[in-house]
Amino acid sequence: KAGVTQTPRYLIKTRGQQVTLSCSPISGHRSVSWYQQTPGQGLQFLFEYFSETQRNKGNFPGRFSGRQFSNSRSEMNVSTLELGDSALYLCASSIGTANTEAFFGQGTRLTVV
Amino acid sequence: GEDVEQSLFLSVREGDSSVINCTYTDSSSTYLYWYKQEPGAGLQLLTYIFSNMDMKQDQRLTVLLNKKDKHLSLRIADTQTGDSAIYFCAEKGSGNTGKLIFGQGTTLQVKP
Repeated sequence: KAGVTQTPRYLIKTRGQQVTLSCSPISGHRSVSWYQQTPGQGLQFLFEYFSETQRNKGNFPGRFSGRQFSNSRSEMNVSTLELGDSALYLCASSIGTANTEAFFGQGTRLTVV
Repeated sequence: GEDVEQSLFLSVREGDSSVINCTYTDSSSTYLYWYKQEPGAGLQLLTYIFSNMDMKQDQRLTVLLNKKDKHLSLRIADTQTGDSAIYFCAEKGSGNTGKLIFGQGTTLQVKP
């Protein structure tokens, strides 16, 4: 059974640009959550999607957005990139929102220059 | 509010037991987790415990939960160099959400 797939693995963008990250959950999983990991702030929750609906959102500015498709794949978008957006972005997959087990992908390392 | 605290660093000798500690504040937490992160990798789910349990054992891993003190620990028996990594404690609150609140992570260094 394939795990959680995040693409791309690495990305370098310039300040002011926008970026789209992709996450394909484990087959049969319908819930996808996104987290940002930085050395200073640690792991912070961005948002959670279930059945194409955003169920929960973390404390991030509106430049951070996401969506989920009917096949449960999810994308997150960051517009007007800032240097502080440089981070490892992790996606977690679970069967449902109340499910006990969340499995993470390898992450996308975003560097903003 | 929700907060999870961990000590930042632990160093042990190969073959010894490691104990990583975590405290949390949300008394309505339903599940508590331990994840492992190796350099350049994502998070690997090691084990989790339901809030009405006080202990769970899984091979070399033992999780202890003291709900009264909101204290969680992960014991790794016979620690190996391959166990060197960052270990994150996380809590899942009540309600219909998958949101996890993570601690800062404990770096485990295993010396040969």
